[in-house]
Amino acid sequence: GQSLEQPSEVTAVEGAIVQINCTYQTSGFYGLSWYQQHDGGAPTFLSYNALDGLEETGRFSSFLSRSDSYGYLLLQELQMKDSASYFCAVGDYGQNFVFGPGTRLSVLP
Amino acid sequence: DTAVSQTPKYLVTQMGNDKSIKCEQNLGHDTMYWYKQDSKKFLKIMFSYNNKELIINETVPNRFSPKSPDKAHLNLHINSLELGDSAVYFCASSQAGGSTDTQYFGPGTRLTVL
Repeated sequence: GQSLEQPSEVTAVEGAIVQINCTYQTSGFYGLSWYQQHDGGAPTFLSYNALDGLEETGRFSSFLSRSDSYGYLLLQELQMKDSASYFCAVGDYGQNFVFGPGTRLSVLP
Repeated sequence: DTAVSQTPKYLVTQMGNDKSIKCEQNLGHDTMYWYKQDSKKFLKIMFSYNNKELIINETVPNRFSPKSPDKAHLNLHINSLELGDSAVYFCASSQAGGSTDTQYFGPGTRLTVL
């Protein structure tokens, strides 16, 4: 089976940096993805890590350590529009795709 | 152009009824999915389907059945609706269906069972 853990809530102020952690236990592993979901909206893809290290896309970066079964999403220069839920997700050797419970990020002025 | 579309956006119905949700993608993707997101925002895969294989999450009741008339469409039929079926249902698609593929989600269908 697979299980993922994330903090349920994170709060930060505009302009700050926030890190959302994700730990996982899987029977097989192809990579760690991150999705963003605004209230009332659909999940949208942010980033994907298949190998160890940091992937940077603009203000967002994602990190993976396969040996530690751990990853994180780093959001820099926070903006109000970044207030949303963030989900890590793991794909395994089949077509199985499992999402974490989500972290609700609140950005304060 | 909407990449993944679903209809209806809202669905309110009585217990015991049968209902369908339609999904269409114009991305040319090979694999489509149905997800259920409950009130606590847990997002769980229900089905993944391409023209070769249907994979069913074993926890999904057999009252739920996907039907795909062609590669661009994957509809969800639900029989004998129960209160616990109330949730937001998302359709998604990906290029090839491997677990490394980016998934593109539809806007969701909010189902309320009374």
